[in-house]
Amino acid sequence: SQQGEEDPQALSIQEGENATMNCSYKTSINNLQWYRQNSGRGLVHLILIRSNEREKHSGRLRVTLDTSKKSSSLLITASRAADTASYFCATGHSGGSNYKLTFGKGTLLTVNP
Amino acid sequence: DVKVTQSSRYLVKRTGEKVFLECVQDMDHENMFWYRQDPGLGLRLIYFSYDVKMKEKGDIPEGYSVSREKKERFSLILESASTNQTSMYLCASKASYNSPLHFGNGTRLTVT
Repeated sequence: SQQGEEDPQALSIQEGENATMNCSYKTSINNLQWYRQNSGRGLVHLILIRSNEREKHSGRLRVTLDTSKKSSSLLITASRAADTASYFCATGHSGGSNYKLTFGKGTLLTVNP
Repeated sequence: DVKVTQSSRYLVKRTGEKVFLECVQDMDHENMFWYRQDPGLGLRLIYFSYDVKMKEKGDIPEGYSVSREKKERFSLILESASTNQTSMYLCASKASYNSPLHFGNGTRLTVT
């Protein structure tokens, strides 16, 4: 069953603007990860945030996690045309087998030059 | 850098054929995964393996089986391909519990 749900489904912005994508989930997690997928390719890991962390940065990426609201956001600052891709959140679950991740359906980001 | 290699980018098979999708990783990862990706449905886990010869069903294992005889290789088998198995198949591996997944470039399978 799907755990994470991204919002919005699609986002179109101009180069230089910031892009914010959100992810909501339903049950307790150990960690939440964000991935990027360029068209027709595999997914690439961007950032991992653990359940006891609230914010994490990596270059132009900023991820926040609010476990009380069961939500996360990914902010891409000063976007570039090369950021055009689909972005997925994935959750690693508490309890049971944490070997697997459950992915949302993704946000398609288009950055117009 | 971790490399996950899927043997075919595109594959066309006929209904009823037995299909093998191969995946090899070069970083000695314990855990390997097979997902399928369909428009509007996102990624869904088919099977995963956390050790050689060990496997566990994911969310949609029906119609599939897997084989992991060596640590670096994880094969997905469609025993009798059907048109509803037309999809993008993604293999991934990871080192341990809280590690990120490393994906291959995918195999786009069409069953006619």
